[in-house]
Amino acid sequence: AQSVTQLGSHVSVSEGALVLLRCNYSSSVPPYLFWYVQYPNQGLQLLLKYTTGATLVKGINGFEAEFKKSETSFHLTKPSAHMSDAAEYFCAVSLEYGNKLVFGAGTILRVKS
Amino acid sequence: DAGITQSPRHKVTETGTPVTLRCHQTENHRYMYWYRQDPGHGLRLIHYSYGVKDTDKGEVSDGYSVSRSKTEDFLLTLESATSSQTSVYFCAIMAGDTYEQYFGPGTRLTVT
Repeated sequence: AQSVTQLGSHVSVSEGALVLLRCNYSSSVPPYLFWYVQYPNQGLQLLLKYTTGATLVKGINGFEAEFKKSETSFHLTKPSAHMSDAAEYFCAVSLEYGNKLVFGAGTILRVKS
Repeated sequence: DAGITQSPRHKVTETGTPVTLRCHQTENHRYMYWYRQDPGHGLRLIHYSYGVKDTDKGEVSDGYSVSRSKTEDFLLTLESATSSQTSVYFCAIMAGDTYEQYFGPGTRLTVT
C-alpha cells in the first residue's frame, strides 16, 4: 500500500530563513505527488504537483519541490520564510486509478519574527 | 475557488443518530471525494465517485455510505453516528484530467 511520511510534525524557522519540509513516500510505481497548505479553519489549497517531466516543480507563494526517485522523496522548500507562510502543510501521493490521494500526517510550520 | 460548497458547515449530533453531509459543485466535474481529517492522521479517503451512481470505497469507509444521483451533488451518510466519527469532513473534486484535487471548506461534525 502507498504511504507518505512527513518528517517533523512541527517545524520552526525565523522570518527570512530557508523553509524545508520533508516528505518521503512508498510506491511501487512512479507516483503523482502533491503539496497542500491549510491555514487555520480553512480547507486545503494546492501548492504544487509533480506528475511527469521536470523533477523540480515550482508552485505558488514561492514554494518549490524536487522529485527524487532514488530517494523516494518530494521535499518542499522556500528560500525565505514569510510570516504569512505559517500554516500546516500536507504531502500527498496519488493512486493513479481514481486519483485517490494518500496524505502524510502534516507538518505545522511556525515562522518566528 | 473550484465552486465547491459543503453543508452544513458545523453540526453537533448524538450517538446513534443518522447524519447526512452534502457536497455541491457547480462545474460538472466527474470525480468527487470525501475525506476526513483527524490530528496526526492527515486526511483519509472515505469514499469517492467517478460518475453519477458510480462510487467506490476508500481507506476508512466503515460506517459511511455515499450517494451521487446528480453530477453536482455527492452525499455522505453516517447511518448511526459514533463518537469516533467526530472529525472534520472535506469534499474534493478532481479538475478534469489534471489530477489536481480542490477541496471544499469542510464540515466540522461533533458526535456526543
